Order: sequence, then structure tokens, then C-alpha cells
Amino acid sequence: GAVVSQHPSRVICKSGTSVKIECRSLDFQATTMFWYRQFPKQSLMLMATSNEGSKATYEQGVEKDKFLINHASLTLSTLTVTSAHPEDSSFYICSAYRAGGVGYTFGSGTRLTVV
Amino acid sequence: QQPVQSPQAVILREGEDAVINCSSSKALYSVHWYRQKHGEAPVFLMILLKGGEQKGHEKISASFNEKKQQSSLYLTASQLSYSGTYFCGTYRGDSGNTPLVFGKGTRLSVIA
Repeated sequence: GAVVSQHPSRVICKSGTSVKIECRSLDFQATTMFWYRQFPKQSLMLMATSNEGSKATYEQGVEKDKFLINHASLTLSTLTVTSAHPEDSSFYICSAYRAGGVGYTFGSGTRLTVV
Repeated sequence: QQPVQSPQAVILREGEDAVINCSSSKALYSVHWYRQKHGEAPVFLMILLKGGEQKGHEKISASFNEKKQQSSLYLTASQLSYSGTYFCGTYRGDSGNTPLVFGKGTRLSVIA
């Protein structure tokens, strides 16, 4: 149980374009999901907290107009990187909290490369 | 506040033991341990809750001392499959449903 599916696993896009990443909880409802970013050989850094039916809460220094988060249902949160630039290239990972569960479940991650 | 992990990296031969430490400057509700292999998402190992209990997962166990605000991960008789980066995570708030804040990680390499 507690499976989180994340797509796509890899994406290459041109500078200036937008990319959407989906995160789905497959066998449970997730009112809250978290989006992390990880640069090579670094830790996972929290970008934002996604709450179903309300606006996301962004961490200090994360541009909310650049990283659009939508959590329209209890099983789906999306992260859209708008006007992507090479410095946005990173590994993006979502995680979901399952009430009554143990630990957080992570998606498989999306490696974004902006060229 | 990001938890502090030590050591940053460790190299082991198969069968050797290792300890990875995680400490926090604030009171802890729980400590989560994850292992991440290169290019993959983190995999949950275990969660330690208040009470100083020790949990185990195969030959990997952990302890949690809430008074010292520390947790340690013990890897015994290490196997090649144990290689990866280990992260400890703590809740930002006092309970679940708040984000996990991760340490910088400990890179473990097990060699034959």
C-alpha cells in the first residue's frame, strides 16, 4: 500500500518552455503532498507544500509564479515549471503523507534537463 | 532547521559495520531514515518515534534518544546492496502531515 506514482521520469525541454510533472497517490487519498528538488550530490530541499483544494505554501526563495502547483483532487498534485531555464535542471520528487500510515511515500522522481 | 548527519561519507568492506548519526537542535517528535541509490528516489527504511525505541529492518537498525535529540542508524555485516546515500529526516512541525526536513546525507560505499 501507499504507492505514489510520478510522471514523467525524465524530460528534456528547451529553455523558455514549460514542463508539467504529475504526482498521483494510487491507493490512498493525500490531502497534502510535498515537492522537493535535489541537485547532484545534495540533499532533498523542500520547495512547497501542496494542499488539496487550496493554494500551495512555498518555501522561502522558491518563486511561486515559476513553479506552479495545483492539487485539484485528493490523489493528484502537479508541478509546472514555467519558462524553464538551464538552472532549473534538477531532480524533482514528490511525496505524500498518508494518514495513519508510517513515514512518507515518495514518487520515483523526475529528472528535468533544460537545454 | 536541518538535522546534522555524520559522517559525510564512509567506505566499508562487505561484512563490516557502520553507524550513521543524526542530530537536531530542536526537540524531535520522530526521526525518519531513508536510503537513496544513485538516480533513484529515496526509499523509506524506518521511523523512530518518541520513547527511545530501537527498530530493525533486516541487518539495519536504529535508535532514537529524544533527550539528546539524536538518532543513530546501525548497519551490521554490510552487504554490497547497502551502498547509497542515507538521509535522516525530521518533521518541521510537531507531528505528521508537516514537511520532512532532511539532513545532508551520508554516502555509504560497500566494496567487495
